[in-house]
Amino acid sequence: DAGVIQSPRHEVTEMGQEVTLRCKPISGHDYLFWYRQTMMRGLELLIYFNNNVPIDDSGMPEDRFSAKMPNASFSTLKIQPSEPRDSAVYFCASSLVADSPLHFGNGTRLTVT
Amino acid sequence: DAKTTQPPSMDCAEGRAANLPCNHSTISGNEYVYWYRQIHSQGPQYIIHGLKNNETNEMASLIITEDRKSSTLILPHATLRDTAVYYCIVRPGGDSSYKLIFGSGTRLLVRP
Repeated sequence: DAGVIQSPRHEVTEMGQEVTLRCKPISGHDYLFWYRQTMMRGLELLIYFNNNVPIDDSGMPEDRFSAKMPNASFSTLKIQPSEPRDSAVYFCASSLVADSPLHFGNGTRLTVT
Repeated sequence: DAKTTQPPSMDCAEGRAANLPCNHSTISGNEYVYWYRQIHSQGPQYIIHGLKNNETNEMASLIITEDRKSSTLILPHATLRDTAVYYCIVRPGGDSSYKLIFGSGTRLLVRP
């Protein structure tokens, strides 16, 4: 299994631009998670999906952030418009069921100038 | 959610055992102890988890005290590739089991 695949690996954009991060979970995993990691706040859970349905988005910082999961093998995290404070590493993770271990991708490093 | 306390940093010599402690004195009966690690520029990697019995897998051993208020992750023969940040996490059971809350972890440096 290739594991959780995220793209792009690095993204540099200017303030105000739209940014889309992509994730392919492990096949057969019913749960998908988006996390953000910064030096100041560490790893934070943004949102999670169960069977493609968003269940808890209480960690999404504001309305500029949105996440979708159109099918079991693909999810996106979109930031529109982006701001410099959104600069972070964004991780996607998936798990087989709710209480099984999470498997993380290698993240997307986002820099907003 | 139960919180964990870990030393900010540790080091050990290559080939020796690395013993990483974690305090979780407010853990409740249905909460699991999970360990993850994060190697530089990679995503967190699952290591091991347990409820109350000691656990061992190909990566590590987890020793949980009888009162469950603390645990130790043991890497039996540390290598340079084990240099990473190690996170001890108390994971709720039931409906909140999806919540994996990461603290600041222990930065382990394995010395040649």
